[in-house]
This record gives sequence, C-alpha cells and structure tokens, in this order.
Amino acid sequence: QKEVEQDPGPLSVPEGAIVSLNCTYSNSAFQYFMWYRQYSRKGPELLMYTYSSGNKEDGRFTAQVDKSSKYISLFIRDSQPSDSATYLCAMSPYNNNDMRFGAGTRLTVKP
Amino acid sequence: EAGVTQFPSHSVIEKGQTVTLRCDPISGHDNLYWYRRVMGKEIKFLLHFVKESKQDESGMPNNRFLAERTGGTYSTLKVQPAELEDSGVYFCASSQETGVGTIYFGEGSWLTVV
Repeated sequence: QKEVEQDPGPLSVPEGAIVSLNCTYSNSAFQYFMWYRQYSRKGPELLMYTYSSGNKEDGRFTAQVDKSSKYISLFIRDSQPSDSATYLCAMSPYNNNDMRFGAGTRLTVKP
Repeated sequence: EAGVTQFPSHSVIEKGQTVTLRCDPISGHDNLYWYRRVMGKEIKFLLHFVKESKQDESGMPNNRFLAERTGGTYSTLKVQPAELEDSGVYFCASSQETGVGTIYFGEGSWLTVV
C-alpha cells in the first residue's frame, strides 16, 4: 500500500465549477500537508500549506485536513481555465527530506 | 529575482552513457534538494545539501548517482552509467529554511535513457 494515495484522474470540469481534489494517507506521523500545482513541463509550485488538522483558505482555494480519517482535500471555487494543471498533494512528518508526494491529479477546466 | 534554474531541460542518452545535470538555486538559499519522478511513480526525494555539505542522501537509489555542490552554490547530479530505469524528470529545489513548505522547485531536467 502506498503511503499517499491520490486519484490521477484526469478530471474535467466546466469553467465556474467547484473542484474537489483529495488524498488519503496511511502514515499517522504526517503533520505537514501541502498542495502543489504543476503546469505542463514546469516544476511544482506550492499552493497551500497546512500544519496538523483544520481548514485553510486562500482566495478561491481551501485546504482541509482530517487527521482522524487520514484524508486531505483541496477545493477550488469558481474554477478558471488557468487552473488547468496537475495538482499534487504532499505530506511530511518533519521536513522536506521526508516529504511524500501523491501521484497528482490532472485537472482540465473547460471554458 | 531568478528562480531555481536547471540545465539541461531535456537530455536523451544511450544506456551506459554519463549525464550530468546542473542546478542553480535561488541566490542566498543554503538548502538545495534533488527529487526525481520516474515514469509511473511519484516524486521522490533524493538528497539534501546544506551549503556544500550533504545533509541527507538517503534517497539516492544506488552508487551510479553522484551529487556535488561545489562551494555551496550550484549543484550537479551525475548519473554514470545511465540505465533505462533512470529515465524521468529530475527536480532541483532550494530554500532558505529547512522547514516544510518553504521550498521552490525548478522546472526539472527531463532525462530519457534509450
């Protein structure tokens, strides 16, 4: 079983839709939870970062962490074509060396 | 401010050849990381430099991989000899701090071994 499970998609939604992206994990030691966005042929770019459980909102993006269920989510409101990218979840118990990535979900937002 | 720069962006080599990837971190970033994503797999940590010292190289797959960071500035990752399973994208990242979430990734070096 992988430490981090993420549905690779692809996921296609119409512009303006609410997008829900999810990851599950098995390692209860994870304390830091990140979402990265990766455009085609580019490097991952940090979108959201959460420590422990709870919600965090930044503009159209909301990250949720439920440690009891070992489940994290990223919601994108009013999705735009420019949101089309691969979204990677990542998590770590301590530092960047121990970061574990999900496979990434490829999202397409159609105009 | 320039971001993390990687060179070459693409490389196609034959099995058994040598390839050297270079990474220039963001100026002033003491921490430099190498990650890679091979076909069908997730991004995985390879190693971490703090200035010129290897802090953690637990993710290096075998002794065909050699990383250096001369003078604590740019870093190179050499694969010698390259094998087919080394194909993938090699990401470099840098940060000022070691804390999680503060790292900035380069665009990656795409390696194809044929």
